[in-house]
Amino acid sequence: EIVLTQSPGTLSLSPGERATLSCRASQSVVSSYFAWYQQKPGQAPRLLIYGASSRATGIPDRFSGSGSGTDFTLTISRLEPEDFAVYYCQQYGDSPPWTFGQGTKVEVK
Amino acid sequence: QVQLQESGPGLVKPSQTLSLTCTVSGGSISSVNYYWSWIRQPAGKGLEWIGRFYTSGTTDYNPSLKSRVTISADTSKNEFSLRLSSVTAADTAVYYCARVAFNTALAVDYWGQGALVTVSS
Repeated sequence: EIVLTQSPGTLSLSPGERATLSCRASQSVVSSYFAWYQQKPGQAPRLLIYGASSRATGIPDRFSGSGSGTDFTLTISRLEPEDFAVYYCQQYGDSPPWTFGQGTKVEVK
Repeated sequence: QVQLQESGPGLVKPSQTLSLTCTVSGGSISSVNYYWSWIRQPAGKGLEWIGRFYTSGTTDYNPSLKSRVTISADTSKNEFSLRLSSVTAADTAVYYCARVAFNTALAVDYWGQGALVTVSS
């Protein structure tokens, strides 16, 4: 099983600041099969990024994904009030289980 | 617009079987372009992938749950279902049904709103 470790656990930032979230895999992940999701309290997650760097439909361009192998990054260029949430990474390789990271909470400083 | 809606008992007794159904509208579970999955989330914790179903009848399960999980589908009702046997308190969670799309490189592009299932006597 591929374990995904997200850091930091909590990121305290102000609106307008840049957020950089990290996700490290315990073994190499096929970049095509890596995603980021946003989850707000009481809601289902929402797909932000798939294939490590492709934005999902309707996702603003302030969200960007990068990385390969074992290290992946989600960047929010300028935080908007609605961006404060929990973010999860996910890998979905050839073999199950498809695993998620434990989440990074982006909170208002 | 694709919509997924979970339904089923919100309370299950320990050792019994948890059963949930996901009704899909705005898309067909018979489509070759998607997998249909179940994912769960204990309160205040992260997401755990349970398994997936494909129109061919193929299923894949999380090895940690495989001995207790069955995912099946009723194409005539455009529904797919989850059965988890021998539940314990550790199975208490919000259960999401979800669509996994080939055109988003197998990421989950649509989620149900989630169904809270509590395991308690």
